[in-house]
Amino acid sequence: QKEVEQDPGPLSVPEGAIVSLNCTYSNSAFQYFMWYRQYSRKGPELLMYTYSSGNKEDGRFTAQVDKSSKYISLFIRDSQPSDSATYLCAMVENQAGTALIFGKGTTLSVSS
Amino acid sequence: DAGVTQSPTHLIKTRGQQVTLRCSPKSGHDTVSWYQQALGQGPQFIFQYYEEEERQRGNFPDRFSGHQFPNYSSELNVNALLLGDSALYLCASSWRGQGWEETQYFGPGTRLLVL
Repeated sequence: QKEVEQDPGPLSVPEGAIVSLNCTYSNSAFQYFMWYRQYSRKGPELLMYTYSSGNKEDGRFTAQVDKSSKYISLFIRDSQPSDSATYLCAMVENQAGTALIFGKGTTLSVSS
Repeated sequence: DAGVTQSPTHLIKTRGQQVTLRCSPKSGHDTVSWYQQALGQGPQFIFQYYEEEERQRGNFPDRFSGHQFPNYSSELNVNALLLGDSALYLCASSWRGQGWEETQYFGPGTRLLVL
């Protein structure tokens, strides 16, 4: 079993839809959780990070962490064609363990 | 403020050759990590450099080696290239002193094709 599981999709939605992206993990020591967006042939761009459980909101993006279920989510409200990209979840155990463990990424396509 | 820069952008090599990839971290960052991203996969951690020393290493063979220079820039060297080394190689930089908020910012990557 991989440490981080993420459905690769692809996920196709119409413009304006609410998108839900998810990852599950097996290592209960993970404490820091990140979401990266990666456009085709580009490097990953940090979208959001959260520490431990809870919610964090930034504009149209909301990140949720449920450590009891080992489940994290990223919600995108009012999705736009410019949101079309691959979304990677990443996590790390603690501030000393800075090797990020990534999921496979979910490819999202938003049509206008 | 320049972000993380990498060179070259693309590279084609043949099996058995050696390759060197370069990375300049974001201004103010002192730690460089290297990742390998195969097609359709998430990035996999290769190693991290801080204070010119390798601090942490992922599950990669000794063919993969690196270096960090006093100006915090870094090189990734891969010897005896295999077809399976074809991937996007990503450099990420961070600032060690940022504590628990330490996050890694990625460069655009170098796309390596081994024929």
